[in-house]
Order: sequence, then C-alpha cells, then structure tokens
Amino acid sequence: DTGVSQDPRHKITKRGQNVTFRCDPISEHNRLYWYRQTLGQGPEFLTYFQNEAQLEKSRLLSDRFSAERPKGSFSTLEIQRTEQGDSAMYLCASSPRGLLGEKLFFGSGTQLSVL
Amino acid sequence: TQLLEQSPQFLSIQEGENLTVYCNSSSVFSSLQWYRQEPGEGPVLLVTVVTGGEVKKLKRLTFQFGDARKDSSLHITAAQPGDTGLYLCAGWLYSSASKIIFGSGTRLSIRP
Repeated sequence: DTGVSQDPRHKITKRGQNVTFRCDPISEHNRLYWYRQTLGQGPEFLTYFQNEAQLEKSRLLSDRFSAERPKGSFSTLEIQRTEQGDSAMYLCASSPRGLLGEKLFFGSGTQLSVL
Repeated sequence: TQLLEQSPQFLSIQEGENLTVYCNSSSVFSSLQWYRQEPGEGPVLLVTVVTGGEVKKLKRLTFQFGDARKDSSLHITAAQPGDTGLYLCAGWLYSSASKIIFGSGTRLSIRP
C-alpha cells in the first residue's frame, strides 16, 4: 500500500496529557498538510509543509500544537496538555508538488478522544 | 464564518431520484474540487474544475463551476445507495494559493 498512512488510527487520552500523531505521506510528495475535522463538519486547515519547511499555520493552531517534518518525509503533530475541545479527527494529506489545484491524497486519519 | 457554504447540510432521498448539492462563496477561487468521504476514512477526490463555466461529467455525476468562479454544484442522476457519503467542496483561493479550503459538507443518504 503506497497511500498516506497515519498512526495511530484511534487515540483515547485523559485531559492534560500529551499526544503525538504520525503521518507518512506518499513517497516523494513534497507537500504535506494537516487538517482537523469534527463530526458533521468539513476539514479545517491547521498547517502545511513544503518539504521540511513549515510555511503556514492556522490561527486554530494554539501554542499547545506543534508540527514537524524533520527530513521532508514523515510528519508528526503533537498536542500538549490536551483539552476536551481537541477531540476530533486529525487528517493528514500529501500532494506531489504543492501546485495550484493539485490533488490531495488523504490518510484515514487519527481519531482523538479526550476524556 | 465558513468561507465555503454547502447546501443542503443533509439530504436523504430514495434510490433512483436526482439531486443537486450547492457550494457557494463570496470569494473567487482559482480552482475548485469535490471530494467524497466515507465514515472513518479520509476524503477522496472526485473532480477538479478550473475554468469559469466549466462542466465535467463523471458517469452519473455532473459538476459545474460558476462563471464568476465563486460557486459550484454537483448533480447526481439516478442516485444509488453506493452514492451515500459526505460530499465536500474545496477551493484554492487566488489570495492564498498555498492551501485548499474545505466547505462544511453535505451528508447524503440514499435509501434502497
């Protein structure tokens, strides 16, 4: 399977704990995105990388959120001191070059539940 | 405020009926995409429209991009239970060509 993979698929944590999600994009895709999706809503943009450079962060991304893509391949999204409002599906997507109108390939997401 | 508004939010119809889903904005988009998402999975691209007034057909699905590049529609003919899912429009803004903005989604249910 050469699609976008995300790990874990599900994460249950207690409020105040830190969590980290991993995304492995399609090999040689330069652009990587993180989105958050709550039930019944469309995905909300969080941040994106062009190779290893993080080029934009949404205002939704508070100081408790940090994302990295150290070698321009896989990416991690960490949430510190989780809150119940962080409960959502976190989606990762990649695209070949980051060109306008390019197809995004999504992973199956990580479903986070904060108790 | 959602930049891309979709209507209706929910639609439940009988198999064989036709339907139209709308995607509207006050912003101009350089291109617009439609994705379909099933429960527990990520969205999957259906089509990209890039020219104002463009119409694309994909079997029983017809996609249209508005002349002013601010709106789009998806029309399904003779809906089937396999069409059930969350339909998302997504646009690339001229002002921020770096990321795609998703609409609020239309949840479609086709009853056998």
